[in-house]
Amino acid sequence: GAVVSQHPSRVICKSGTSVKIECRSLDFQATTMFWYRQFPKQSLMLMATSNEGSKATYEQGVEKDKFLINHASLTLSTLTVTSAHPEDSSFYICSAAVGVGQETQYFGPGTRLLVL
Amino acid sequence: SQQGEEDPQALSIQEGENATMNCSYKTSINNLQWYRQNSGRGLVHLILIRSNEREKHSGRLRVTLDTSKKSSSLLITASRAADTASYFCATDETSGSRLTFGEGTQLTVNP
Repeated sequence: GAVVSQHPSRVICKSGTSVKIECRSLDFQATTMFWYRQFPKQSLMLMATSNEGSKATYEQGVEKDKFLINHASLTLSTLTVTSAHPEDSSFYICSAAVGVGQETQYFGPGTRLLVL
Repeated sequence: SQQGEEDPQALSIQEGENATMNCSYKTSINNLQWYRQNSGRGLVHLILIRSNEREKHSGRLRVTLDTSKKSSSLLITASRAADTASYFCATDETSGSRLTFGEGTQLTVNP
């Protein structure tokens, strides 16, 4: 089956620093990647949708200047949390979809971010 | 905002029993999917049911979809302790290709 990896799996950083999270599709090319955020005991909230080679589409209420998304290739998307603050502490999950009109998303294992 | 609502929020059963989780949604959909998430981990895709389907089976899983009531149910038969996880429904709306997740049901299967 399709495998999606994320790196790092967890990160602790000081307030004000920037953190980059990588999402890779290991055995397939992903035309679209999605970034979600999940707070404890809550559901996944879509943050943005990114297509290779184009600007990401952000959901309402998500600051594009704070959460920078780069989808440079069909197998890699990165999410950079700039000037992180404690309220940005969360579980960040990416997913990748195969092909146009895709129905199934394959999820990465998630990245736990803790901002002190 | 989340369009999916799931109930119950938490369900605790004994091994061997069946577990039923329900999901309701508000808009028209292309399909509805169920995912499983172990604590602190990513999501695993379980099953997809299209809007023109009413029931689907996969192993011990049975999913129903009632588009007139905008609801779906996931039944896990003969549950095992290893089924302990959070279960989320997600809808693929006809207006876009993005998934909208429900609030989830935390299932605990006691050995």
